Amino acid sequence: SQQGEEDPQALSIQEGENATMNCSYKTSINNLQWYRQNSGRGLVHLILIRSNEREKHSGRLRVTLDTSKKSSSLLITASRAADTASYFCATARFTDKLIFGTGTRLQVFP
Amino acid sequence: SQTIHQWPATLVQPVGSPLSLECTVEGTSNPNLYWYRQAAGRGLQLLFYSVGIGQISSEVPQNLSASRPQDRQFILSSKKLLLSDSGFYLCAWSVRGIGTDTQYFGPGTRLTVL
Repeated sequence: SQQGEEDPQALSIQEGENATMNCSYKTSINNLQWYRQNSGRGLVHLILIRSNEREKHSGRLRVTLDTSKKSSSLLITASRAADTASYFCATARFTDKLIFGTGTRLQVFP
Repeated sequence: SQTIHQWPATLVQPVGSPLSLECTVEGTSNPNLYWYRQAAGRGLQLLFYSVGIGQISSEVPQNLSASRPQDRQFILSSKKLLLSDSGFYLCAWSVRGIGTDTQYFGPGTRLTVL
C-alpha cells in the first residue's frame, strides 16, 4: 500500500516561478525523503528530513515537515526548464523499507 | 564511489515466456537491495527487498520471484510472464542496517509483455 500521496498530481509553471508540491502520509515515520525522476530514468535522491526536524534547505530546495498534520512540502525556488520531472515523496518507518507516494509531474516552460 | 547497474535496459517478451532481470552494485558491501515496479505514470510499488544473501522478503503476491546469489547481485525472475507484468522495473540499494536512509536507484528496465 502507498503511504504518501502527493498533491497536485501535475503542475505547470513558467521558468523563474516557484513550484510547491505537497505530500501527506498516514502513520508515524522515522524520516521523509523526496526523490526526482526524469522521464524513463531511475530516481535520484534530493533531500531527507527527519521526524524531529521541521525545515531543511538544499540549494533551491526547501522542505518542510509537519508531523502533527502528517504532511510535507517541497518548494523549488526560481525554477528552471531542467527541473521538469516527476517528484516523489517517500516515508521511512522503522523498518528497512521506504513507501513511495504517487508523485507530482512538474513541467517548467522556458 | 558506488554504482548500480541494471540490464537489460529494455525488453520485449511474449506472454508465457520466462524473465530474468539482473541488478549489480559496485563500491559497497552488504547493501540492502530492493526491486520496485512502476506502472506508466504511477508511483513505485515495492516488490522485494533483501538484507543479505539468500534473504528475500516479498511485499506482494505475484508472478515474480527474486534471488540474491551474491552479496551485490539481485535477480528478478518469472517462469511465465503475464501481460500485467509490463512496467518499469527499478533496482535500488541502501546502506545495510540503515534501511530507513537514502536509497540509490539504478537506471531501470522497461519490460513490455505482448
